[in-house]
Amino acid sequence: DTAVSQTPKYLVTQMGNDKSIKCEQNLGHDTMYWYKQDSKKFLKIMFSYNNKELIINETVPNRFSPKSPDKAHLNLHINSLELGDSAVYFCASSQGLGQPQHFGDGTRLSIL
Amino acid sequence: DAKTTQPTSMDCAEGRAANLPCNHSTISGNEYVYWYRQIHSQGPQYIIHGLKNNETNEMASLIITEDRKSSTLILPHATLRDTAVYYCIVRVGAGGGADGLTFGKGTHLIIQP
Repeated sequence: DTAVSQTPKYLVTQMGNDKSIKCEQNLGHDTMYWYKQDSKKFLKIMFSYNNKELIINETVPNRFSPKSPDKAHLNLHINSLELGDSAVYFCASSQGLGQPQHFGDGTRLSIL
Repeated sequence: DAKTTQPTSMDCAEGRAANLPCNHSTISGNEYVYWYRQIHSQGPQYIIHGLKNNETNEMASLIITEDRKSSTLILPHATLRDTAVYYCIVRVGAGGGADGLTFGKGTHLIIQP
């Protein structure tokens, strides 16, 4: 019973393509997040989503857009992929704002 | 969120207690100390958090100094599976902070057999 699951686990694609990463949580949490971990292993918040309110990290390019069909899902859409988008993307959820977060195992995105 | 300072790496013998320090001298009164860890190729894992009292759960203990400017995470009987990067994060607690966690470089804890 995976609490926070992401698909796919690995994603290899070419520059310029559009791709999506899916995230589902079965914890009944109200808040979900997307993080990016770059090649230097720094983890940075990209988005947080709580009660239909989206908080965007201002450094995230608008090619990235989160979409939440329901409270249990927060998918990440990426348009016009660039080489610098290669990273591991982590989804997380929490019971509410400021509560401990539960992370998925990540999606490893490689841009050729 | 207040900034934290942690040693880059630490070694600990298997079966011994691992004590991971964290300095957070600019912590505000409403900010908690959170600890997460990231085992290789996995997502970060929540360990424990506290405001000013010492806390203990099934994974670890958290000791916070009286002035709250530093804390120590204690893994009482370290195993090889505890080898990971440990992150000390200071932030507001439940009900506050719409943004996500701010991860620093953390401490790479290596458990030696």
